Amino acid sequence: EIVLTQSPATLSLSPGERATLSCRASQSVSSNLAWYQQKPGQAPRLLIYDASNRATGIPARFSGSGSGTDFTLTISSLEPEDFAVYSCQQRSSWPLTFGGGTKVEIK
Amino acid sequence: EVQLLESGGGLVQPGGSLRLSCAASGFTFSDFTMSWVRQAPGKGLEWVSAIGGGGSNTYYTDSVKGRFTISRDNSKNTLYLQMNSLRAEDTAVYYCAKALRVTTSYFEYWGQGSLVTVSS
Repeated sequence: EIVLTQSPATLSLSPGERATLSCRASQSVSSNLAWYQQKPGQAPRLLIYDASNRATGIPARFSGSGSGTDFTLTISSLEPEDFAVYSCQQRSSWPLTFGGGTKVEIK
Repeated sequence: EVQLLESGGGLVQPGGSLRLSCAASGFTFSDFTMSWVRQAPGKGLEWVSAIGGGGSNTYYTDSVKGRFTISRDNSKNTLYLQMNSLRAEDTAVYYCAKALRVTTSYFEYWGQGSLVTVSS
């Protein structure tokens, strides 16, 4: 099973600041990685797939990069609605796995 | 518009059984892999199981193998998860999720979730 480790667990930032979230895989997943955003009481929302492709309707301030074992989700300038939990997910091999999540909170 | 509507959750005793359903609409159901993903209270997301569009290919996370069975009825556009021998650690919100594309296993659309509580 591929383990995804996200860091930091919590990121405290102010609106307008840049957020950089990390996801590290225990073995190479090539570019087979997605990022999701989840707000309390809501289902997750797909942001990025194949490491760097924005899903439909996702604002350009969200970007993804990386390949192999190291991936980054960047939010260029935080909007109030961006404070949420972000999770990565790999589809390189079964079982599909998620990272533990990074909470982006208001500083 | 894609819609996924789960039902069947509730309170069950340890060792008991429950069947979740997910009614899908707004897309060609039989074309897409479907999955169940769960989230224990206050915890992260955990993929549980997936089934190919035709229903013959199924996949499970190790912790539910032999206890859970995923299936689908393409004539009814409905996904199922039969859960047997339930344990306290199966307590979670269970989401059904539609794959982004026919050949991928990213989750583009999610249902609202169905809460399963395993407790005596």
